Amino acid sequence: KAGVTQTPRYLIKTRGQQVTLSCSPISGHRSVSWYQQTPGQGLQFLFEYFSETQRNKGNFPGRFSGRQFSNSRSEMNVSTLELGDSALYLCASSVDTHGYTFGSGTRLTVV
Amino acid sequence: GQQLNQSPQSMFIQEGEDVSMNCTSSSIFNTWLWYKQDPGEGPVLLIALYKAGELTSNGRLTAQFGITRKDSFLNISASIPSDVGIYFCAGQLRNSGGSNYKLTFGKGTLLTVNP
Repeated sequence: KAGVTQTPRYLIKTRGQQVTLSCSPISGHRSVSWYQQTPGQGLQFLFEYFSETQRNKGNFPGRFSGRQFSNSRSEMNVSTLELGDSALYLCASSVDTHGYTFGSGTRLTVV
Repeated sequence: GQQLNQSPQSMFIQEGEDVSMNCTSSSIFNTWLWYKQDPGEGPVLLIALYKAGELTSNGRLTAQFGITRKDSFLNISASIPSDVGIYFCAGQLRNSGGSNYKLTFGKGTLLTVNP
């Protein structure tokens, strides 16, 4: 059974640009959550989607957005990138919001 | 908002020793999870706890959901070199409508095992 797949694994962007990250959940998992991990702040919740609907949102600015498609795949977008957006972005999926399974993450570096 | 205090921040132990780490919260959770993260990878779920007072084992790992619902601990017995990594606790509070799906994470415990 394939795990949670995140693409790309690594990304370098310039300040002011925008970026789109992709997450394919485990087959049959309809809940997808996104987290930002930095050395200073640790793991911070961004948002959670279920059946194409955002159910929860963390305390991030509006530059951070996401969506979920009918096949449960999810994307998150960050616009007008800032240096502080450099982080490991993790996606997690779950059947019923118990025991989330995380992907390996996308390492975003903003220069 | 909810905050989790995880301790210790780091541990350096000898192979074969037992390890204990814990998390305390300023507010209650109804689910506690323990994850391990290796460098360059996402967190991997070790143990999930769903009831206050619950004690659950997974091999050499044992975790408990505190009676107050504000704390949890993880024990690792007879540590081995592959136990090296960062361990995170995470709490989740599902409200009565079941509509809160956010995990709140501790800052992690870095475990180093000396062979």
